[in-house]
Order: sequence, then structure tokens, then C-alpha cells
Amino acid sequence: EVHLVESGGGLVQPGGSLRLSCVVSGFTFSTYWMHWVRQGPGKGLVGVARINIDGTYTNYAESVKGRFTVSRDDAKNTLYLQMNSLRVDDTAVYYCVRGSNMFRGVDYWGQGALVTVSS
Amino acid sequence: DVVMTQTPLSSPVTLGQPASISCRSSQSLVDSDGNTYLSWFQQRPGQPPRLLIYKISNRFSGVPDRFSGSGAGTDFTLKISRVEPEDVGIYYCLQSTLFPHTFGQGTKLEIK
Repeated sequence: EVHLVESGGGLVQPGGSLRLSCVVSGFTFSTYWMHWVRQGPGKGLVGVARINIDGTYTNYAESVKGRFTVSRDDAKNTLYLQMNSLRVDDTAVYYCVRGSNMFRGVDYWGQGALVTVSS
Repeated sequence: DVVMTQTPLSSPVTLGQPASISCRSSQSLVDSDGNTYLSWFQQRPGQPPRLLIYKISNRFSGVPDRFSGSGAGTDFTLKISRVEPEDVGIYYCLQSTLFPHTFGQGTKLEIK
């Protein structure tokens, strides 16, 4: 069974940093693209970042470019999101999401990690 | 970026009756490989999204057959043949043909 478990969320002041981790199980992590998607309070879903199979290619939403970095450690079955220079509007639940190998898109989602940016 | 517009934003339905949600894209979602990468997700209260439909009309593993998807080009529809209590939640369409991938704003399905 596919599992994705995020950790590392919490309360941080504007301008601060936080690193999210996502440990996966139930599939061969190294053979899948991975994504981070966020959902602001009472809002919809927005793709934040994605990373390819060997970590050599990444994409970011314009709103986080230059501040967020996605990476992966295939030996640890773990996806990361380093978030720097955090702003109040980065407050959201951050989901770790698996890219599908059957079609271009995403399939399985973690439960999410809440990041609150506030003074 | 491709803008995905869902209608309605809220849909009160009677249990056992059908429901339909529309999703329209600001440009064609047909890829150069001939596929159309349009998916539908269900988000129950307090839960992460769950994939229901991919490539317009393919049901994902474990999804009941009362859910179906249709459409082409820029216009797509998710249908629930007979709404059940566990179908309450917010439904999102997602286009993955063009980067950045973009979601619709969501349609809230609630029971009358």
C-alpha cells in the first residue's frame, strides 16, 4: 500500500525558514517524479514544486521561485521542501504527492503538513 | 498559465440523484502525444485529495463506477450517477498537459 507521510510543519515568523520532509513507502520511490502541492486556509490547490526521478530537474511556482528548494534522497525514500524567506501568504497545508507513472499527472497524496507563517 | 474554471461552485444534491460538475480550460488540453491530461479529485472534509479520474474518463483504482468523466479539448464533465452520503466534499479538476499544472477552484458537493 502506498503511503506518504509529511513532517516538519509548524509556526514560523515571517522571513524564517522551515524544512518539510516526506517519507514514502509501498512503492519504488526512485522511479517516480514527486510534487509538493499546497492549500491555503479555506482555499484551493496550488502546485508548488516538482522534481524528476534522479533529482536533476526541478520546477517551481512563480510565487516560490528563489525561496523554496525541492530535493530528494532516494536512499532514505524521502522528499524534502526547504522553505526560506517565508511570507504570511505561504501559510498552508503542504501535501507531498506522487507523480503517476501511468499518465502525466499525480495520483497518491500524503495527509499534509500545516505551515503557519505569523508574527 | 492555463486557467481552469469549474461550475457550479456549489452543488446541493439529493441522495440517490445524479450530480454533474463542469470544468473548462482556457486553452486546449490535447497534448502533442494525442492524450488529454485532465484529472478529477475528491477532497472529503479534513482529508487530502483523492484521485478519481485521469485522462478525462479513466477511473482510478478503487473508484466506484458511479463516477464517470467525459469531455474533450477544453470542456470536461464529472458525473456521479447516484449521490451517496460519502460523496460530500469538494471536487477539483487538474490539467497536467501544460506546465505549470493547474487546478480548478473547486466545486462543493453537499446534500440537500
